[in-house]
Amino acid sequence: QKEVEQDPGPLSVPEGAIVSLNCTYSNSAFQYFMWYRQYSRKGPELLMYTYSSGNKEDGRFTAQVDKSSKYISLFIRDSQPSDSATYLCAIQGLTGGGNKLTFGTGTQLKVEL
Amino acid sequence: DTGVSQDPRHKITKRGQNVTFRCDPISEHNRLYWYRQTLGQGPEFLTYFQNEAQLEKSRLLSDRFSAERPKGSFSTLEIQRTEQGDSAMYLCASTSPRGPEAFFGQGTRLTVV
Repeated sequence: QKEVEQDPGPLSVPEGAIVSLNCTYSNSAFQYFMWYRQYSRKGPELLMYTYSSGNKEDGRFTAQVDKSSKYISLFIRDSQPSDSATYLCAIQGLTGGGNKLTFGTGTQLKVEL
Repeated sequence: DTGVSQDPRHKITKRGQNVTFRCDPISEHNRLYWYRQTLGQGPEFLTYFQNEAQLEKSRLLSDRFSAERPKGSFSTLEIQRTEQGDSAMYLCASTSPRGPEAFFGQGTRLTVV
């Protein structure tokens, strides 16, 4: 079993839809939960991160963490064609690896006009 | 300073040749990470440096791979005797002492023919 599981999609939604992206993880030692957006052939871009269970909002994006279920989500409101990308969840724990990240496989999102 | 810089962006090499990639992190960031990403997968951790010290290496990093960060600033990743299985995107990231956020470069795409 992978440490971080993420449905690879692809996920196709109409413009304006609410998008829900999800990951599960297995190691309760993980402490920081991050979401990255990656356009084709580019490096990952940090969208937001959270530390504790609950919600964190930033513009059209909301990150949600449920540590009891080991489940994290990213919601995108009023989705736009420019949101079409691969979304990667990444989790960080306080181990000997400093701030190293363990990634999911990424979910490919397409927002259609 | 506009972010993490990687060079070259693309590299095509013949099997058996050696290649070297360079990463310049964000200037005040003391930690630097190398990841490898193959098609349809999330980035996988390879190694990381705190200043000039290499503190952890993944089992993915075979003997043909070596990384350095001689003065605690830029880093190089060398692959000796490249194999077709080394074809991937090699990503560099850096973090500051003040927070967990990891910022990635645009990556070096390696193709071994």
